[in-house]
Amino acid sequence: AQKVTQAQTEISVVEKEDVTLDCVYETRDTTYYLFWYKQPPSGELVFLIRRNSFDEQNEISGRYSWNFQKSTSSFNFTITASQVVDSAVYFCALSEGDSGGSNYKLTFGKGTLLTVNP
Amino acid sequence: KAGVTQTPRYLIKTRGQQVTLSCSPISGHRSVSWYQQTPGQGLQFLFEYFSETQRNKGNFPGRFSGRQFSNSRSEMNVSTLELGDSALYLCASSYTGAFNYGYTFGSGTRLTVV
Repeated sequence: AQKVTQAQTEISVVEKEDVTLDCVYETRDTTYYLFWYKQPPSGELVFLIRRNSFDEQNEISGRYSWNFQKSTSSFNFTITASQVVDSAVYFCALSEGDSGGSNYKLTFGKGTLLTVNP
Repeated sequence: KAGVTQTPRYLIKTRGQQVTLSCSPISGHRSVSWYQQTPGQGLQFLFEYFSETQRNKGNFPGRFSGRQFSNSRSEMNVSTLELGDSALYLCASSYTGAFNYGYTFGSGTRLTVV
């Protein structure tokens, strides 16, 4: 069975601090996809990144970076020089690629509420 | 390009009633998925439709049902509402449904059951 764990329920930082959101996943498939979504108070899930299981290269997009390590089943997300606008709930999610219908759903972690204070 | 549109945005229903939520996917997208978000259980998968066929269903009671029309618009229905059905219901659309193509989420329908 697939599972995503985000151990950090809430994180509070001061603006300009760097912050890392942890994500650990479990899956039996060799092909899978990992995602990060941001959910602002408006409720919409905003897509941030998608990674497939065969691509372990880390990625940087502006102030955002992601560290994917298959050896530890982790897909962590770092925000550099955080800003107040980064305040939101962040979700890590997993989709399995080999298991037929499992390919058509996301399994989400519980989310991490990030508060960036001015 | 219009995003995923969910209607209504807010809904208040009484226990025992039924409710229908609507989702219009991005033009050209043929897959629509539904998720329930509650403070206790988080985001949980309800079902996924592609070309009017349900391809996958989450672990929810039969009171939760859905359908997809030929224009890819989807509806979900919850019958005999319970207090625990109060949640944010999110719809997501995708070109094919496989996650290598990614999904776009709507803003959700917030259902309150009283």
